[in-house]
Amino acid sequence: NAGVMQNPRHLVRRRGQEARLRCSPMKGHSHVYWYRQLPEEGLKFMVYLQKENIIDESGMPKERFSAEFPKEGPSILRIQQVVRGDSAAYFCASSPDRAFAGELFFGEGSRLTVL
Amino acid sequence: GENVEQHPSTLSVQEGDSAVIKCTYSDSASNYFPWYKQELGKGPQLIIDIRSNVGEKKDQRIAVTLNKTAKHFSLHITETQPEDSAVYFCAASSGNNNAGNMLTFGGGTRLMVKP
Repeated sequence: NAGVMQNPRHLVRRRGQEARLRCSPMKGHSHVYWYRQLPEEGLKFMVYLQKENIIDESGMPKERFSAEFPKEGPSILRIQQVVRGDSAAYFCASSPDRAFAGELFFGEGSRLTVL
Repeated sequence: GENVEQHPSTLSVQEGDSAVIKCTYSDSASNYFPWYKQELGKGPQLIIDIRSNVGEKKDQRIAVTLNKTAKHFSLHITETQPEDSAVYFCAASSGNNNAGNMLTFGGGTRLMVKP
């Protein structure tokens, strides 16, 4: 049973480019969460999605950031016109098909570096 | 919203000694408190969790205690080993149906176990 898969593991972008991060949840999981971790800091909630629905995006910056979790395929976190401050590790987590499921299973993260 | 504070930010112990990490939370509705271990370059992994209907839980060398009245919970690692060296995060969740299992994390504790 494969865990949460994130790709790419490392991504380098120049200022003004777009970054797309992908997350495939564990098999059978339909709840996906994105967290951001700045260097030497904790994990900050960004967005919670279920299939085809954004449930809570209260942690997502209002501009340049968007997320989706289509009916088919992985969840995508998209950052447009990246700036140096977007450099961080972005973690995806998933949980089973229950409204309250306990453990979140995390992927290995995607590390974005903006030059 | 929920706010989780974690102390200390760094902790250095001698192999074989015990390590204690403490967290406080602000939302009295929180009822699920997991602890995650994050090794360098990897995603967080759940090591133990506790729900608000119990005060203590133990798993081999790891134990967690919860004081709901005071809104704090602690991680205890006994007989520490060098492989326990990592960053540890506490988290809290109210787990209501709308929020799924959205976790609010503490700032992390870097534990170093010296051989």
